[in-house]
Amino acid sequence: GAVVSQHPSRVICKSGTSVKIECRSLDFQATTMFWYRQFPKQSLMLMATSNEGSKATYEQGVEKDKFLINHASLTLSTLTVTSAHPEDSSFYICSGGQGSPNEQFFGPGTRLTVL
Amino acid sequence: GENVEQHPSTLSVQEGDSAVIKCTYSDSASNYFPWYKQELGKRPQLIIDIRSNVGEKKDQRIAVTLNKTAKHFSLHITETQPEDSAVYFCAATGAAGNKLTFGGGTRVLVKP
Repeated sequence: GAVVSQHPSRVICKSGTSVKIECRSLDFQATTMFWYRQFPKQSLMLMATSNEGSKATYEQGVEKDKFLINHASLTLSTLTVTSAHPEDSSFYICSGGQGSPNEQFFGPGTRLTVL
Repeated sequence: GENVEQHPSTLSVQEGDSAVIKCTYSDSASNYFPWYKQELGKRPQLIIDIRSNVGEKKDQRIAVTLNKTAKHFSLHITETQPEDSAVYFCAATGAAGNKLTFGGGTRVLVKP
């Protein structure tokens, strides 16, 4: 199957700083990329959907000014958590899709810990 | 939007027995239903999926059934092995077509 990478795999930062997470599709062009957040022992919650070259569509309750998403190319999307706080500590996972027929390919995830 | 409910939340089975996980969805327009296996700290791995034009699909020890009328689908694992222990998630696409909504997950423990 298609391969998606994420970087970094783990990051620890101080409260108030910003953190950027990169998501790359390595062997396919991801027309759409999705960003999820997963708290311990919980399900994946979709944060936003981004299409290359256009603004991301955020899910209800997700602050677009806090979670900045850029999808500048068909192989790269970035999520920047601005002014991170301890409650933003979570496992962030991206996925890439090629449009229909719906299958998404997940990255390995980034564990963010905000002190 | 789409809403996916998954049961049970935990499932303990003896090695060799079968495991069944059930999900219901709300959006009758949903047409794609994948199942993922996630081990601790790892990415979700697609194990099987089914589309709305099919009622059942099987891949070795894993099978999925879909009842569009009742809006529910199920995962069946036969001859369970300790390495099947993980968290399993069902998901469905809603009217948006490419956006997945996940169920709450089922923690499966296969006891040797």
